[in-house]
Amino acid sequence: NAGVTQTPKFRVLKTGQSMTLLCAQDMNHEYMYWYRQDPGMGLRLIHYSVGEGTTAKGEVPDGYNVSRLKKQNFLLGLESAAPSQTSVYFCASSYRAWEVYGYTFGSGTRLTVV
Amino acid sequence: GQQLNQSPQSMFIQEGEDVSMNCTSSSIFNTWLWYKQDPGEGPVLLIALYKAGELTSNGRLTAQFGITRKDSFLNISASIPSDVGIYFCAGGDTDKLIFGTGTRLQVFP
Repeated sequence: NAGVTQTPKFRVLKTGQSMTLLCAQDMNHEYMYWYRQDPGMGLRLIHYSVGEGTTAKGEVPDGYNVSRLKKQNFLLGLESAAPSQTSVYFCASSYRAWEVYGYTFGSGTRLTVV
Repeated sequence: GQQLNQSPQSMFIQEGEDVSMNCTSSSIFNTWLWYKQDPGEGPVLLIALYKAGELTSNGRLTAQFGITRKDSFLNISASIPSDVGIYFCAGGDTDKLIFGTGTRLQVFP
């Protein structure tokens, strides 16, 4: 009954370093999403996927890449980290009919870029 | 891109008081949802609304889908300390949700 699991929970990067955030869900959800949360800005969509092998850009995709090679996993990559990418990152997943159940969120990854 | 504006940004209230917050959009949505985020956790769904004018309750929470479909409201009655957190509205947009800027609620005993 894990739901949505994000790893790591915390990370500090130096400017220019790269890293990958992993999101795994065990609910057989079709849709997966990556959001970032910044004070006063709410949750902003970075990228999302409507099924295995698909990805799409959200509101703030620049500087990030994603992959959905397996249905249960959605990876978010930062190729060259910048201080502006300091944020809390949330992964979420949903059934196709998200209108009924909404999203299930992970507990977040707090990333600091110095 | 689309943005949902929530007000107020933050609220500091005393336990037992009622709370009202709202969410407005420049676009029409066919579905509105309200989420709560506890400190250090991801948001959790509170209420979902599917029809303009709809009023839905979940315990002490009541939410309304605005007639214009460009706004939604959330009320919390008789607040308690565990109501502390950030409340987000979200509008349904085809295959994703657009989230609001959040209302931070603090409840003092």
